[in-house]
Amino acid sequence: EDQVTQSPEALRLQEGESSSLNCSYTVSGLRGLFWYRQDPGKGPEFLFTLYSAGEEKEKERLKATLTKKESFLHITAPKPEDSATYLCAVLGANYGGSQGNLIFGKGTKLSVKP
Amino acid sequence: KAGVTQTPRYLIKTRGQQVTLSCSPISGHRSVSWYQQTPGQGLQFLFEYFSETQRNKGNFPGRFSGRQFSNSRSEMNVSTLELGDSALYLCASSLVPRQETQYFGPGTRLLVL
Repeated sequence: EDQVTQSPEALRLQEGESSSLNCSYTVSGLRGLFWYRQDPGKGPEFLFTLYSAGEEKEKERLKATLTKKESFLHITAPKPEDSATYLCAVLGANYGGSQGNLIFGKGTKLSVKP
Repeated sequence: KAGVTQTPRYLIKTRGQQVTLSCSPISGHRSVSWYQQTPGQGLQFLFEYFSETQRNKGNFPGRFSGRQFSNSRSEMNVSTLELGDSALYLCASSLVPRQETQYFGPGTRLLVL
């Protein structure tokens, strides 16, 4: 069964302290890996899609990378407004069925203190 | 371009009642998926609709149902509400099924008392 595991569950950083979030996945035929940001009480906001190992994408202080087994979301010099829960999801070749098209991890809750 | 909209944003119901939630996808998007999000279980897939047809269904009891209209708007219904149905219900739209990027709405927060 396709599976996504995110670590750590929670991460506290000081403003300016760079770090990385991990997303490990097991999927039959990866068609895409997605990162979302979710603020409390709101819907997930799309950040990146990665399709193949070695691919990297950047947006402001965020950089997402992908290997054959995991993805990292690197946060460089974070600011308090980067505080949110970051969700990872995968789309596999065997999509659909009772799991739906996207398999989500449980997320990493990031807190950035000034 | 307007994003995914969901109504109502907040809802309080009592056990045994039923509820209907609405979702309007991004203009031009024809696929709508529904998710339930709770602190303990994370995002759980409910169902997916395309061209007024349910394509996939998650492992939820029959009390959870949905439909899609010809304009791609979708509704989900929960009958005989239970306390455990309290959650954030999210709708996501994409151009077609299995199209990679799903865009989420703000969600409907349901509290069952």
